Amino acid sequence: AQSVTQLGSHVSVSEGALVLLRCNYSSSVPPYLFWYVQYPNQGLQLLLKYTTGATLVKGINGFEAEFKKSETSFHLTKPSAHMSDAAEYFCAVTQYGQNFVFGPGTRLSVLP
Amino acid sequence: SQTIHQWPATLVQPVGSPLSLECTVEGTSNPNLYWYRQAAGRGLQLLFYSVGIGQISSEVPQNLSASRPQDRQFILSSKKLLLSDSGFYLCAWTRLAVNNEQFFGPGTRLTVL
Repeated sequence: AQSVTQLGSHVSVSEGALVLLRCNYSSSVPPYLFWYVQYPNQGLQLLLKYTTGATLVKGINGFEAEFKKSETSFHLTKPSAHMSDAAEYFCAVTQYGQNFVFGPGTRLSVLP
Repeated sequence: SQTIHQWPATLVQPVGSPLSLECTVEGTSNPNLYWYRQAAGRGLQLLFYSVGIGQISSEVPQNLSASRPQDRQFILSSKKLLLSDSGFYLCAWTRLAVNNEQFFGPGTRLTVL
């Protein structure tokens, strides 16, 4: 069975500081991994995804994530936080593209 | 391009009343469709998914049901709402390929009083 953990339900960073949101997964077969962002009272929007190939994936809004098979991790980073990055972030995994498992989410706050 | 619609956007219902939430996808055919619920301050809970017309899989036993009367229409229903049914309901779809992401609708905020 698949599972996703996100360390830290709430992360606060200063504007301009590095953003690091952690995601670890468990999967019996090579997974496909995703990061989504959710703004209040809205649906989820895809930030980036890893399927195959290059393990460093670049997404929208300056975010990127690196797939590390040995660590079963897919952490999300952004070099410099912006106030508009404040939102809820979800990591997700699927094996066969049918059932998706989401992490519990991390709320990112950006302080001025 | 593909779009996904949900309505209503917000809904306030008394306990014991029926529920019908609708989700419609445009611009694609034969999508996999999903219903999720987000309770306040919590993650996504998968409720139902469907791989085709009339094919519904339930992930969590509860007083909710789902139907797929048309290829691109997914309906979430209840005969009698409970207080615990309050939450943010999200519909999502994905293409039939193993490496494709889910696309989410704008959601419906349901408050049961």
